[in-house]
Amino acid sequence: AQSVTQLGSHVSVSEGALVLLRCNYSSSVPPYLFWYVQYPNQGLQLLLKYTSAATLVKGINGFEAEFKKSETSFHLTKPSAHMSDAAEYFCAVSDGKRDDKIIFGKGTRLHILP
Amino acid sequence: GAVVSQHPSRVICKSGTSVKIECRSLDFQATTMFWYRQFPKQSLMLMATSNEGSKATYEQGVEKDKFLINHASLTLSTLTVTSAHPEDSSFYICSAGAFSYNEQFFGPGTRLTVL
Repeated sequence: AQSVTQLGSHVSVSEGALVLLRCNYSSSVPPYLFWYVQYPNQGLQLLLKYTSAATLVKGINGFEAEFKKSETSFHLTKPSAHMSDAAEYFCAVSDGKRDDKIIFGKGTRLHILP
Repeated sequence: GAVVSQHPSRVICKSGTSVKIECRSLDFQATTMFWYRQFPKQSLMLMATSNEGSKATYEQGVEKDKFLINHASLTLSTLTVTSAHPEDSSFYICSAGAFSYNEQFFGPGTRLTVL
């Protein structure tokens, strides 16, 4: 079975500071990994995805994530936080089949301090 | 491209009534659609997977007679919450997958409030 664990349900960073949201995965097969962002009362927007190509994945809005198999991690980073980054972030995993279900982590609420 | 819509965006109904939520893939043919439920401040929980023309596969603990899913075409899936009760109040999100993509595309969600 696949699963993801997001460390920290709430993370607060100052505007301009580094954003680091942690995600560890568990999978018996090479995983596909995703980070999604959700703003209040809205659906999910894909930030980036890892699909077994480059281990450092660049996404939208300046976010990137690095797949580390040895650590079973896929942490999300952004060098400089912006107020508009305040949202809920979900890490997710699937086994890479086109129609396979995606398993979500519990989410991390990112707060940006002025 | 790869846009998924949901209708309605918000619905309020009385306890005991049924509510239908539509999920449409606007610019691609979705071989599979997924329905999720999200309670406040919680993650998305997969309810069921539907493939066009076949019966939906429900996750453990989801009542298939209460949450009726129909996937009649490659661009439309519907979720009907039958005999809704206040505990069914939630944010329902659909997603759609296609052979030409390696990801699912999510709809904007439907906020259901049962009074």
